[in-house]
Formats: sequence, C-alpha cells, structure tokens
Amino acid sequence: GAVVSQHPSRVICKSGTSVKIECRSLDFQATTMFWYRQFPKKSLMLMATSNEGSKATYEQGVEKDKFLINHASLTLSTLTVTSAHPEDSSFYICSARVHTGPQYFGPGTRLTVT
Amino acid sequence: GENVEQHPSTLSVQEGDSAVIKCTYSDSASNYFPWYKQELGKRPQLIIDIRSNVGEKKDQRIAVTLNKTAKHFSLHITETQPEDSAVYFCAASTMEYGNKLVFGAGTILRVKS
Repeated sequence: GAVVSQHPSRVICKSGTSVKIECRSLDFQATTMFWYRQFPKKSLMLMATSNEGSKATYEQGVEKDKFLINHASLTLSTLTVTSAHPEDSSFYICSARVHTGPQYFGPGTRLTVT
Repeated sequence: GENVEQHPSTLSVQEGDSAVIKCTYSDSASNYFPWYKQELGKRPQLIIDIRSNVGEKKDQRIAVTLNKTAKHFSLHITETQPEDSAVYFCAASTMEYGNKLVFGAGTILRVKS
C-alpha cells in the first residue's frame, strides 16, 4: 500500500514553454500532497503544500505564478512549471499523506530545460 | 521555524559494522521524526519513524533513538550490508494536519564489502 506515482519520469522542454507534472496516490486518498525540488547531491527543498480543493501554500521564495499547483482530487495533484528557464532544471518530487500519517514519495520527475 | 542539522555528511563503514547518523532539531514542538533512504535517482523511502512519546524504536537491523530534552535523534544500522549504501535523510515535524517535514542535509552512507 501507500504507492505514489509521478508522470512523466523525465521531460525535456524548450525555454519559455510550460511543463505539467502529475502526482497520483494510487491506493489511498491523500488529504495533503507536497511538492519538493531536489538539486544534485542535496536535500529535499519543500516548494509548496497542497490540500485537496484549496489553494496551495507556498514556501518563502517560491513563485506561485511560476509553479502552479492544482490539487483537483484526493488522488491527484499537478505542478505546472510555467515559462520554464534552464535554471528550473531539477528533480521534482511529490509526496502524499493521509491526515497525520507518514509522507510517501513519488519516484520524481527529472526536468531539463534547454 | 524548525531547523534540522544532520551529521556526518558522509560515512564509510565496513560490511558488518554498525553505522550511526545523528540529527538535531531546534523546535521543541516537533514531535514526529522520520528517516528516509534514497538511492541514486530513486524516490526517498520511509525506513523508520518515531513519535515523541517513545524514546526508541527498532525494526530488524534499524533502530532510532530520540532524546527530547537534548533535541536530538539518531539512526542506528547494525550488521551493515552493501545494499544499505544510499543517502539517508532525517526529518522533523509537528504531527498536525498537513504539517510539513523539515529535512536534514543528508548522509551518504557507503558500505564497503
């Protein structure tokens, strides 16, 4: 149980375009989903917390208009990187949890902006 | 806000030896402390967690200890095996609805066979 999937696993896009990443909880309903960014050999940096049916809460320094988060249902959250630039290239990982339970992570999405 | 420090940043042990990774936290309100293992290019996987109402928890070769007074917690891996090689992250949070985890910087564990 507690399986979280992400799609796509890898994406290459051109500078100025937008990219959407999906995060799904496959066998449970996630009351909260989280989006992280991870640089090579670094820790997980929380970008935003997403609750189903409400607006995401962004961490300080994360541009909400650039990283659009939609939590449409209890099993799906999406992160859209708008007007992507090379500096947005990174490993993006989501996690999901039920109420006060542990966070379970997705496999991550490797984004490369050329 | 919460700040979590993790040491050491890298740790090399011989197969069969024990490995210990230590974390300290700053917010005395934190009451949930998970440990995640991440292999290269893979997702972080929860390996063990502890809540502040207990001082120690074991799961086979893995154990976590918590000292609330000193605000530190540690991961202990006994009889290490090559497949234990990975990056380990500690984290802390107040276990309330929707509350976020604050992660340590990570420890690269290498088990030499």
